[in-house]
Amino acid sequence: NAGVTQTPKFQVLKTGQSMTLQCAQDMNHEYMSWYRQDPGMGLRLIHYSVGAGITDQGEVPNGYNVSRSTTEDFPLRLLSAAPSQTSVYFCASSRGTTGSSSPLHFGNGTRLTVT
Amino acid sequence: DAKTTQPTSMDCAEGRAANLPCNHSTISGNEYVYWYRQIHSQGPQYIIHGLKNNETNEMASLIITEDRKSSTLILPHATLRDTAVYYCIVRTGNQFYFGTGTSLTVIP
Repeated sequence: NAGVTQTPKFQVLKTGQSMTLQCAQDMNHEYMSWYRQDPGMGLRLIHYSVGAGITDQGEVPNGYNVSRSTTEDFPLRLLSAAPSQTSVYFCASSRGTTGSSSPLHFGNGTRLTVT
Repeated sequence: DAKTTQPTSMDCAEGRAANLPCNHSTISGNEYVYWYRQIHSQGPQYIIHGLKNNETNEMASLIITEDRKSSTLILPHATLRDTAVYYCIVRTGNQFYFGTGTSLTVIP
């Protein structure tokens, strides 16, 4: 199993550009989520999904869109990038949803710079 | 409000036990506590989790107080490779809340 795969590893955008960060998992996990990590800080939840067709907002959802058309994929879209979105983005998945104790499995991150 | 609070940094001598504390005073009865670590800017690595009882696995032990308001992660014999940022996390429903973590430095 590859686990959680994120692409690209690095990306530079100009202000106002759009892009999609890709996340795929091959563990048949129901739960998937996106986090951002700013320098010296912990991870903050952007959006999450408990299954195909179901998404919800986390702590910092503004400026980001998600969709979940398949169990395996959970892309994160930046519609109009801003310098404040410069960060490292992590995707994570888990076997269970509400009531489950299954831990999160993380990808290796996408480092995004917006100039 | 932060769900968890941890000391910013700690040192530990190589070969000694590292005890990393975490306060989660607002935790509810059905919310799990998880511990992860992050080395450099890699994806966080799962260590252990628990609800009420103390837990042990091949990496670490987790001690949760009886009132569940705090916990301690114990690395029994710290090595240089354990130098990392350690995060204590509370799961509320489908949201995992990370604190700012403890930067652990293992000293030779």
